[in-house]
Amino acid sequence: EVQLVESGGGLVQPGGSLRLSCVASGFTFSSYWMSWVRQAPGKGLEWVANIKQDGSEIYYVDSVKGRFTISRDNAKNSLYLQMNSLRAEDTAVYYCARDSGYGRYWGQGALVTVSS
Amino acid sequence: DIQMTQSPSTLSASVGDRVTISCRASQNISTWLAWYQQKPGQAPKLLIYKASSLESGVPSRFSGSGSGTEFTLTISSLQPDDFATYYCQQNNGYSPWTFGQGTKVEIK
Repeated sequence: EVQLVESGGGLVQPGGSLRLSCVASGFTFSSYWMSWVRQAPGKGLEWVANIKQDGSEIYYVDSVKGRFTISRDNAKNSLYLQMNSLRAEDTAVYYCARDSGYGRYWGQGALVTVSS
Repeated sequence: DIQMTQSPSTLSASVGDRVTISCRASQNISTWLAWYQQKPGQAPKLLIYKASSLESGVPSRFSGSGSGTEFTLTISSLQPDDFATYYCQQNNGYSPWTFGQGTKVEIK
């Protein structure tokens, strides 16, 4: 059974940093692109970033470029999102998803709240 | 960047109704389109990929059609479990994803 489990969410002050993790199981992690998608409270879905199997290609939505860094550790079946210089508008549930050009499998989400 | 426009934003319907949701891409995306269903507090669930391929385990009352810039999600006979929000998403290769703004299907 494919599982994606996010962790690392929480409350952080504006300008602060947070690192999200997503541990994958039930499939060969190193064979798939992976994405992060977020959803602000009461709003729609917004793709944030994705990363190729070996990390050689990475893409970001414009609003997080220069502040967020996506990475992966295939030996640990893990995906990461390092979030720096956080803003109130980054408040959202962050999902990791297995990326086949679409998201067949998603995690349960991690809530990130940016507030003073 | 490719923009996705969904319509309507909200749809009121009754059990048994045929429901159609539209999604328009700002440029040709061939059939690189997916549809998701999301219920409150849950992650999105894939319904349709490559515009018209039904995801395994999804009821056959869901269908997708279209290519190029115009796409449609149809629910042939709305069931109580189908009241949710639906999103389209383009994936023109492994380039960044773009979602439509969502269509909330409400009970009439």
